[in-house]
Amino acid sequence: DVKVTQSSRYLVKRTGEKVFLECVQDMDHENMFWYRQDPGLGLRLIYFSYDVKMKEKGDIPEGYSVSREKKERFSLILESASTNQTSMYLCASTPSQHTKNIQYFGAGTRLSVL
Amino acid sequence: SQQGEEDPQALSIQEGENATMNCSYKTSINNLQWYRQNSGRGLVHLILIRSNEREKHSGRLRVTLDTSKKSSSLLITASRAADTASYFCATDQAGTALIFGKGTTLSVSS
Repeated sequence: DVKVTQSSRYLVKRTGEKVFLECVQDMDHENMFWYRQDPGLGLRLIYFSYDVKMKEKGDIPEGYSVSREKKERFSLILESASTNQTSMYLCASTPSQHTKNIQYFGAGTRLSVL
Repeated sequence: SQQGEEDPQALSIQEGENATMNCSYKTSINNLQWYRQNSGRGLVHLILIRSNEREKHSGRLRVTLDTSKKSSSLLITASRAADTASYFCATDQAGTALIFGKGTTLSVSS
């Protein structure tokens, strides 16, 4: 079974802190994604990556950056956390874009910025 | 650029009843997927239907797709309390980035 692991289930940070959310997948998937999920807004794509060191902006990249130094790991970085970044963050992966693009999700990280 | 929109937003039924939720989208798609999310957890893929398919079954799930109306429905038959979750449709256009709807929250009471 594909496993996508997010390093923290719950995280509490202060405004202005630099925050790292880590995601690791164990199925050699090429594509990895970061979403945020907010009530009434559904899932919104922040960034995604097709390959190591490659990244593409999603719908709401402002205030975020990403890093993919190894194929299995995709990190989401909040350079200076703000209260409006309090949300549920979901990581997902999928194999080559030539497949059906079924996405495999981690359990999520609920981030609170105080 | 959200594309899938589920309807209704919330649905409450009794165990044993059928649950139907709908998804509408705006542009051409390659396939449409349905996912389930239990409270506070990640999403789990349920079923995928391609644009050239009209109906697909998986256990108690039945998905239909009407590309002329740009809509899909997910039917869960003989619902159980364990089916309580949020259900999302997601569309795949040309690329790898799925576009998710806002979800239908299903509550099944015993």
